[in-house]
Amino acid sequence: EPEVTQTPSHQVTQMGQEVILRCVPISNHLYFYWYRQILGQKVEFLVSFYNNEISEKSEIFDDQFSVERPDGSNFTLKIRSTKLEDSAMYFCASSVFIQSKQYFGPGTRLTVT
Amino acid sequence: KQEVTQIPAALSVPEGENLVLNCSFTDSAIYNLQWFRQDPGKGLTSLLLIQSSQREQTSGRLNASLDKSSGRSTLYIAASQPGDSATYLCAVDNAGGTSYGKLTFGQGTILTVHP
Repeated sequence: EPEVTQTPSHQVTQMGQEVILRCVPISNHLYFYWYRQILGQKVEFLVSFYNNEISEKSEIFDDQFSVERPDGSNFTLKIRSTKLEDSAMYFCASSVFIQSKQYFGPGTRLTVT
Repeated sequence: KQEVTQIPAALSVPEGENLVLNCSFTDSAIYNLQWFRQDPGKGLTSLLLIQSSQREQTSGRLNASLDKSSGRSTLYIAASQPGDSATYLCAVDNAGGTSYGKLTFGQGTILTVHP
């Protein structure tokens, strides 16, 4: 069965550095998402993306965050200047249609020191 | 603002028991509700998706029901096994406005099934 993949599985970075988290959604899916989960807290929506545009973003997704689909397969989340509070597990997800089942990747654990 | 609550926060049962996990949401205007399983340090695996027009969905030993008007869903697991041990999350996709697949999650129920 096709899966969403994410790299790296764990990223350690220093405060103020830029990080790029990468995802390969399922190939025939059209909608892409990023969520995050801070340790011990709920999974939180960050952004949805369709047709090379952001469809919706949460209040967490400020100017420090950006998303891109640089080619036909990758979907990336960039954090320009990381903060300690950005430490979390970041999940990528994709779906065929809006409001259809979302398939999640295994996550990237981001640790900001 | 949609709020999703799951009860109980944790549940420990002996193998073979049937069990029920509960999920409630404050805004009944939803497109669908999904139940996920999360193993420690891992991603989310979708178990069942119920559309707002449906009352229940079944997959193997799992049965999920939805009462949209009262803002409730239950996940029923029959004949539980140690391999069912995980955190179970429910998430709703809100209808109306400019919602584009944004899922709102509950905090999860940690299930332990002991042999």
